[in-house]
Amino acid sequence: DADVTQTPRNRITKTGKRIMLECSQTKGHDRMYWYRQDPGLGLRLIYYSFDVKDINKGEISDGYSVSRQAQAKFSLSLESAIPNQTALYFCATSVRGSGQETQYFGPGTRLLVL
Amino acid sequence: GQNIDQPTEMTATEGAIVQINCTYQTSGFNGLFWYQQHAGEAPTFLSYNVLDGLEEKGRFSSFLSRSKGYSYLLLKELQMKDSASYLCAVRVRAGNTPLVFGKGTRLSVIA
Repeated sequence: DADVTQTPRNRITKTGKRIMLECSQTKGHDRMYWYRQDPGLGLRLIYYSFDVKDINKGEISDGYSVSRQAQAKFSLSLESAIPNQTALYFCATSVRGSGQETQYFGPGTRLLVL
Repeated sequence: GQNIDQPTEMTATEGAIVQINCTYQTSGFNGLFWYQQHAGEAPTFLSYNVLDGLEEKGRFSSFLSRSKGYSYLLLKELQMKDSASYLCAVRVRAGNTPLVFGKGTRLSVIA
């Protein structure tokens, strides 16, 4: 079974709708991240959380919100989706105190906002 | 701001060697990562450098020069399955800081 899972894997929605992307991990990592990836722009950080009570904005947090429901779960919400939020979204995890602290990525959610 | 530069695209021949460069200008430095990403898939960890020098892992090696703000990923004995994007990422400082990613280099391996 995959260590980092994302649901849904694909989603089509309409402008103005609220949607939630979910991430779960069985790695026991305390740190979790949400990125979006757009062609030509690379991976950009939306939000990150270093434990259940810690939430931090990333480079491009406007239009997004997050919830860390438990150590293993980190959800990303688009309160009112717009077409330029069409992208590939990745969740990642890492563990504090592991030296190099490698990030491990989920399989991604492909979102299309019409 | 943080700046990480990589070539956008490269092409190389099966069986050959290719070097993918990454230069960075960041407010600090606490490690550099290389990830491989096949189209539509998740990035997967390849290598990590925090001290100057070469780290070798099978067909892949990564080099770092902190004084020059420069790293490269060297892929030997290229195979068709190495066709992917290669992402360079920097941890700007120790502790509670996420990675900053470059835009990635798309490598095409041709027969």
